[in-house]
Amino acid sequence: QVHLQESGPGLVKPSETLSLTCTVSGGSITTYYWSWIRQPAGKGLEYIGRIYISGSTNYNPSLKSRVTMSLDTSKTQFSLNLSSVTAADTAVYYCARERVGVAGNWHFDVWGRGSLVTVSS
Amino acid sequence: DIQMTQSPSSLSASVGDRVTITCRASQNINNYLNWYQQKPGKAPKLLIFAASSLQSGVPSRFSASGSGTDFSLTISSLQPEDFATYYCQQSYSSRTFGQGTQVEVK
Repeated sequence: QVHLQESGPGLVKPSETLSLTCTVSGGSITTYYWSWIRQPAGKGLEYIGRIYISGSTNYNPSLKSRVTMSLDTSKTQFSLNLSSVTAADTAVYYCARERVGVAGNWHFDVWGRGSLVTVSS
Repeated sequence: DIQMTQSPSSLSASVGDRVTITCRASQNINNYLNWYQQKPGKAPKLLIFAASSLQSGVPSRFSASGSGTDFSLTISSLQPEDFATYYCQQSYSSRTFGQGTQVEVK
């Protein structure tokens, strides 16, 4: 079965770039869309964006100017870069697989365990 | 942006109770609505996709319905492992989650 694991620095300084990687194991990275979602402590879930093997991306409009995603098939990894971070970007960051089901409904069916990133000097 | 509003924000219930959570979209999203369960310190888990389709492995006490702007998730007989926070999520335009409904022990 597919397993996702986030990795990256747990502490990032304000104004710098947050970088996270998600490693996919037990399945192919060349199908499905691969997504990032975050959750500040005690709060709800916020969609960041997704990437497909073709390089096609979709980003949350509210974060689009600061987000870049990439995918490395040789390493079965996909990555998130979030630039110019502030304390408001402190959150648990999840990677997830998004698939399309009946009648074109998209849903996140596999999730990583999450990676806490704190923005602080 | 499509806003998703869940109600209630929290509820208290006992084992065996029937529990219903509602989710309202700010515009028509057809049936592009999913439900997730999240326990403390864990990643969300997909329960329901396409408004009413049960994800593989999810107990049949979970059911959901709705279309357009109004949706609901029902747990027919609450079990101890069901105490958690539940989120709805739309996939009609970008992706948006509801604010969550915490199901607590009464």
